[in-house]
Amino acid sequence: QKEVEQDPGPLSVPEGAIVSLNCTYSNSAFQYFMWYRQYSRKGPELLMYTYSSGNKEDGRFTAQVDKSSKYISLFIRDSQPSDSATYLCAGGYNKLIFGAGTRLAVHP
Amino acid sequence: GAGVSQSPSNKVTEKGKDVELRCDPISGHTALYWYRQRLGQGLEFLIYFQGNSAPDKSGLPSDRFSAERTGESVSTLTIQRTQQEDSAVYLCAGLQRRANYGYTFGSGTRLTVV
Repeated sequence: QKEVEQDPGPLSVPEGAIVSLNCTYSNSAFQYFMWYRQYSRKGPELLMYTYSSGNKEDGRFTAQVDKSSKYISLFIRDSQPSDSATYLCAGGYNKLIFGAGTRLAVHP
Repeated sequence: GAGVSQSPSNKVTEKGKDVELRCDPISGHTALYWYRQRLGQGLEFLIYFQGNSAPDKSGLPSDRFSAERTGESVSTLTIQRTQQEDSAVYLCAGLQRRANYGYTFGSGTRLTVV
C-alpha cells in the first residue's frame, strides 16, 4: 500500500464547475499537508499548505485535512481553463510523500 | 537566483554510462530534496539533506544512486551504470528555514537512457 493514495483521473469538467480532488494517507505521523500544481514539463508549484487538521482558503482554492480519517481534499471554485494541470497531494513530517497526481482538464 | 536551478534540463545517455545531475538551490535553503518522477506518475522520494546532518538516503533505489551536498550549496545526484528504468525526470527542491514547509522545485532534469 502506498503511503499517499490519489486517483490519477483524468478528470474533465466544464468551465465554472466546482472541482473536488481527494487523497488518503496511511502514516499517522504526517503533520503537514500540501497541494502542488504541475503543468506539463514544469516543476511542481505549491498551491496550498496545511498544518494538522482543518481548512485553509486562498482565493478560489480550499484545502481540507481530516486527520481522524486520514483524508486530504482540495476544492477549486469557478474553475478556469488555466486550472488544467496535474494536481499532486503530499503529506509528511521531515520529508514529503506525494500521491500519484490527478490530471484535471477544464474545458471552455 | 530567483528559483531552484537544475542542469542539464535534458540528458540522453547510453545504457551503462554514468550521469551527474546538478541542483543549485536558492540561497538560504537549509534543506534540499531529490525526487524522481516517471512518466505519468507522482514524485518518488530519493534523498534529502538537512544542514550538516547525515542525509536521509532511504529513497535511493539502488547503490548505483548517490548524492552529495556541501553545506547549503550545490547538490549533485550521480547515477552509475544507467539502466533504461532510470529514465525519468529528476526534480530537486529546496526548503527555507522557518518557511511554511513549502518546497520550491526546480524544473527538473529529463533523463533518457537509450
